Amino acid sequence: QVQLIQSGAEVNKAGASVKVSCKASGYTFTSYYMNWVRQAPGQGLEWMGIINPSGGSTSHAQKFQGRVTMTRDTSTSTVYMELSSLRSEDTAVYYCARGGIVGETAPFDIWGQGTMVTVSS
Amino acid sequence: EIVLTQSPGTLSLSPGERATLSCRASQSVSSSYLAWYQQKPGQAPRLLIYGASSRATGIPDRFSGSGSGTDFTLTISRLEPEDFAVYYCQQYVRSPYTFGQGTKLEIK
Repeated sequence: QVQLIQSGAEVNKAGASVKVSCKASGYTFTSYYMNWVRQAPGQGLEWMGIINPSGGSTSHAQKFQGRVTMTRDTSTSTVYMELSSLRSEDTAVYYCARGGIVGETAPFDIWGQGTMVTVSS
Repeated sequence: EIVLTQSPGTLSLSPGERATLSCRASQSVSSSYLAWYQQKPGQAPRLLIYGASSRATGIPDRFSGSGSGTDFTLTISRLEPEDFAVYYCQQYVRSPYTFGQGTKLEIK
């Protein structure tokens, strides 16, 4: 079945970086966009950015400019999201979510289980 | 960016009742690239509705979506106990792909 499996919970100090992985299975990895969405405790959903697993091109929300890097490894069908210069406000659950077929826009139909990232001071 | 405003913030209803949730966009969402998600505590969101009115795979027909332009509605015809959750709308026509702030549907 189609699924996204994310890496485990992380605790990082303020100022450090965190890298979360998301391994896809059950479909052609390079055919669908992958998005990253985060959710702070008790808050709503916030879209962070998108990667095209085929060519590796990315786009992200302006507020993460200079701090977020999204990459992929086609040999393992895994995407990565690295967030640097962590601050307390980055404490959240981070989700990967499959988007549309490359070249098309579509909602997020498959979600990972989420990765809790805690930033300590 | 397109700002989505959901109302009400919290909706208190009983099982068997009808729920109507609203999502208003700050700009027209062309081609109805509007989706609705359900999220239960400790779980990832689940896609319910896409294209403003199409049900995702496996979603019961008591869930329906409508609307166009800037005003959209999610309706749950007869609430089941498992429907009490938080609901988010999202536009995916233009980056950044923004979400509404959510409507919490709670048991009265």
